[in-house]
Amino acid sequence: GQQVMQIPQYQHVQEGEDFTTYCNSSTTLSNIQWYKQRPGGHPVFLIQLVKSGEVKKQKRLTFQFGEAKKNSSLHITATQTTDVGTYFCAGDSKGAQKLVFGQGTRLTINP
Amino acid sequence: EAQVTQNPRYLITVTGKKLTVTCSQNMNHEYMSWYRQDPGLGLRQIYYSMNVEVTDKGDVPEGYKVSRKEKRNFPLILESPSPNQTSLYFCASSLMVASGKYEQYFGPGTRLTVT
Repeated sequence: GQQVMQIPQYQHVQEGEDFTTYCNSSTTLSNIQWYKQRPGGHPVFLIQLVKSGEVKKQKRLTFQFGEAKKNSSLHITATQTTDVGTYFCAGDSKGAQKLVFGQGTRLTINP
Repeated sequence: EAQVTQNPRYLITVTGKKLTVTCSQNMNHEYMSWYRQDPGLGLRQIYYSMNVEVTDKGDVPEGYKVSRKEKRNFPLILESPSPNQTSLYFCASSLMVASGKYEQYFGPGTRLTVT
């Protein structure tokens, strides 16, 4: 079945440093989504990417969807302590909301 | 306030004792889903429902049942819980849209321990 691999599993940075997490699917995706889960919280939707090669920005966050629609990345510029949490990608290969989540990247920040 | 609610939030039970975790959403969403979250494995889908009386298996359905008799409710049933079902469970809901654009709203989670 479809698999979604996400790396790294953990990332510790100094506040102000950049952060990137990568997501790779075993199958071509209809769309990919990104979620953020704060410690002790629930996943919260960040964005959905649908088009090949799509790049979207939300303030300091930049999301990319690969040309082949099999990989994606999330880049945070100049991290802040509010960015702490686990970031998940979730791939939908059939466009039917059957999301397969990556293992997540847990981001911790040294203030 | 638009939200997904789950009850109970925490549950400790014993092997074999049937339990139900309730999930309710007030956003009139057609789609609802159950996930379990385990360390290092991300979220894995257990069951999902695209509308009332329409349910289907996700990736890890063994040992679980669901029902969707009303649009707002999607309970998760463990007929005979076992220790390997100890996990953090999330319910989620979203609209079904023809455009393919959607976002899933997650409940606060239910932490289940089976001894």
